Amino acid sequence: DQQVKQNSPSLSVQEGRISILNCDYTNSMFDYFLWYKKYPAEGPTFLISISSIKDKNEDGRFTVFLNKSAKHLSLHIVPSQPGDSAVYFCAGHQGAQKLVFGQGTRLTINP
Amino acid sequence: DVKVTQSSRYLVKRTGEKVFLECVQDMDHENMFWYRQDPGLGLRLIYFSYDVKMKEKGDIPEGYSVSREKKERFSLILESASTNQTSMYLCASSSPRVTDTQYFGPGTRLTVL
Repeated sequence: DQQVKQNSPSLSVQEGRISILNCDYTNSMFDYFLWYKKYPAEGPTFLISISSIKDKNEDGRFTVFLNKSAKHLSLHIVPSQPGDSAVYFCAGHQGAQKLVFGQGTRLTINP
Repeated sequence: DVKVTQSSRYLVKRTGEKVFLECVQDMDHENMFWYRQDPGLGLRLIYFSYDVKMKEKGDIPEGYSVSREKKERFSLILESASTNQTSMYLCASSSPRVTDTQYFGPGTRLTVL
């Protein structure tokens, strides 16, 4: 049972444009969500999070939106930069300090 | 800055060998985790630990065991390595005293021949 799903394995965006990465979940008990970014041969690094009681959280070029009724969250990157090329994972926090991760989306920013 | 280190970046072992993967964190975090990352499957939790000597099974514990004798160190053990355990192994730590955000090590790419 895949509790967190990222249905797009890859996404290609032109530099300067908006990147939108999507994530769907099935577990209503998640109390907050996180996005991680991973470069090849490195561990994932925390990017941004959002509490389940909010619908938006912003940090510089990164904004996460949460639609609880649709069980859907998205990460917006504006403007996209070449250094944003990486694999992005969304994760739900289900208590007991555990995270459930999606499959990841590989983002490629083209010059 | 939180630092999580893993003993090896790349490891090649033979089927049936016993394999130890070591993870050390320097931030006095209570929680430590072992994941494996496979293409199309994301990160899957193998085992985690809330404190010294404590361990809990994650989603895919079969074929693995763990040891946490000291707070800063969490070891993953493959008792008898098999080819389907070829993967990227990631260690993470977190503390509920600060935030539950997990901080990851650089990963160990294990190949079992």
